[in-house]
Amino acid sequence: QSVLTQPPSASGTPGQRVTISCSGSSSNIGSNNANWYQQLPGTAPKLLIYSNSQRPSGVPDRFSGSKSGTSASLAISGLQSEDEADYYCAAWDDSLTVVVFGGGTKLTVL
Amino acid sequence: EVQLVESGGGLVPPGGSLRLSCAASGFTVSSTTMSWVRQAPGKGLEWVSVIYRDDKTYTADSVKGRFSISRDNSKNTLYLQVNSLRPEDTAVYYCASGPWAARIDYWGQGTLVTVSS
Repeated sequence: QSVLTQPPSASGTPGQRVTISCSGSSSNIGSNNANWYQQLPGTAPKLLIYSNSQRPSGVPDRFSGSKSGTSASLAISGLQSEDEADYYCAAWDDSLTVVVFGGGTKLTVL
Repeated sequence: EVQLVESGGGLVPPGGSLRLSCAASGFTVSSTTMSWVRQAPGKGLEWVSVIYRDDKTYTADSVKGRFSISRDNSKNTLYLQVNSLRPEDTAVYYCASGPWAARIDYWGQGTLVTVSS
């Protein structure tokens, strides 16, 4: 049972826009930044979004993040086959004094 | 170029110990936040431990008292001492770095720890 709640799966067709949610609480997303990671099959995770909505250099602007209250969202527009991966949200939790990850969302491009 | 190279994983019986190492290049481990994150086979990411620039450390409850994070600035290397291993500790252990614990800019390739008799 993860502290941050993500849907286990999401899907879309090429070119579509897909959104993945991450629900937390006042002690994590509510008071700290949300970060998103992409993990392609068989590889280490990669930072996709930091500080709720910032993209590291090299991440396409098709990827965007937002935060509202105790929830964060990752949006992928213009879906491509290479976006098929697992996506994780993460944030610091002030009460637990640990980093909490979401359980991950497996994105399938149909 | 930033590189993180883990080593020290392997097959260990329940109750055993290992020391995982992470050799860093392209930056100094003392200048940033260093973490360990693990991933059990077929499962999601699980944060393990972090050491900040001021040497403050935090560790997940699931491994507290059994795992210990440290670094050797002279060797530019991060460590994770893992003791009293349990089958549920079986995972790929990733070394990671970033400006703060939840934002990880760089990841190693991971080292597999298998706890089994």
